[in-house]
Amino acid sequence: TQLLEQSPQFLSIQEGENLTVYCNSSSVFSSLQWYRQEPGEGPVLLVTVVTGGEVKKLKRLTFQFGDARKDSSLHITAAQPGDTGLYLCAVPPRASSGSARQLTFGSGTQLTVLP
Amino acid sequence: DVKVTQSSRYLVKRTGEKVFLECVQDMDHENMFWYRQDPGLGLRLIYFSYDVKMKEKGDIPEGYSVSREKKERFSLILESASTNQTSMYLCASRWPGVGAFFGQGTRLTVV
Repeated sequence: TQLLEQSPQFLSIQEGENLTVYCNSSSVFSSLQWYRQEPGEGPVLLVTVVTGGEVKKLKRLTFQFGDARKDSSLHITAAQPGDTGLYLCAVPPRASSGSARQLTFGSGTQLTVLP
Repeated sequence: DVKVTQSSRYLVKRTGEKVFLECVQDMDHENMFWYRQDPGLGLRLIYFSYDVKMKEKGDIPEGYSVSREKKERFSLILESASTNQTSMYLCASRWPGVGAFFGQGTRLTVV
């Protein structure tokens, strides 16, 4: 069972549409990060959410951390072709895990915004 | 501007060759990581290092080794490259508790 489940796995929409992608788990996390990876490049950190219920905005992107800190969503308003990419969520290890340093990544949502 | 630089964007190697992937960061981060990324499998951690000369195995260390002689440099070594090691390799660095900065990736093809 994956620690982080991202949905949908693939999403193709027209320019100007709105969309939401999700990152879910049965575990509680101290924080959660969202990254975007463009084709042929490494992931780039977009945001870190820390507090349950927290909402952060980055231009047309809205990130929310669930009240119970088990899940998160990313909403994009009026999507543009430049938003195309793989969206990854990541969490730090739980206190009980063996290593305190590595991040665990979801498998991502591949978003394509068509002009 | 923070930077993680991987030595090659594309590499083609033959089966059995010893392959070195180099990664340098300029942020004085303690922690550095090597991941591989394959379609449908996401990012899988190969090895990470939390200090000079210190390393820990990740989820898929078999067939790989690492070297960290200086804080800014973390090398991934494929001792004897095999075709199932064809993949995108990503290096990252971070301070504990903050997000990771990734290099641009190395697409390795083993023929």
